[in-house]
Amino acid sequence: AQSVTQPDIHITVSEGASLELRCNYSYGATPYLFWYVQSPGQGLQLLLKYFSGDTLVQGIKGFEAEFKRSQSSFNLRKPSVHWSDAAEYFCAVGGDTGRRALTFGSGTRLQVQP
Amino acid sequence: GAVVSQHPSRVICKSGTSVKIECRSLDFQATTMFWYRQFPKKSLMLMATSNEGSKATYEQGVEKDKFLINHASLTLSTLTVTSAHPEDSSFYICSASRGRRGHNEQFFGPGTRLTVL
Repeated sequence: AQSVTQPDIHITVSEGASLELRCNYSYGATPYLFWYVQSPGQGLQLLLKYFSGDTLVQGIKGFEAEFKRSQSSFNLRKPSVHWSDAAEYFCAVGGDTGRRALTFGSGTRLQVQP
Repeated sequence: GAVVSQHPSRVICKSGTSVKIECRSLDFQATTMFWYRQFPKKSLMLMATSNEGSKATYEQGVEKDKFLINHASLTLSTLTVTSAHPEDSSFYICSASRGRRGHNEQFFGPGTRLTVL
């Protein structure tokens, strides 16, 4: 069965500081990995995705993530956080085997201090 | 492109009534739509997967008679919560995919907040 773990429920960073949100996954085949952001009361917006190829993927809003197969991780990073980045971040895994719907992690709430 | 809408965005109903939520892909044909439920401060839990023209596949533990899903066209799927009760109050989110492969991106709707009194 596929699963996603986001070990940090809540993170607070200062504006301008760097950010890393952790994501570990379990999947029986080659995973498709996603990071989504959700603002309060809103739907999900895709930040970036990894299917194959270069393990460092660039996304929107200055985010990037690195796929590390040996660590089963897909951590999200941003070098300098803006106050508007405060939101809930979800890591998700999917693939072509088994069910195609995404399995989401429990989310990490990001607070940005001025 | 790839916009998914949901209607209504918010609904309040009395216990025992039925509520229908629509999910539309506005600018593409969605061969597959997914319905998720999100509890407060929790992750999204898949409820069911629906392919156009066929019956929905429900996740274990989801009552198919309570959560009726219809995917009658390539741009519309509906979720009907029948005989709603307060424990059905939640944030319901749909997503739509152009294809049937895992790498086909899912586009998410803005969600519908259901409150059952």
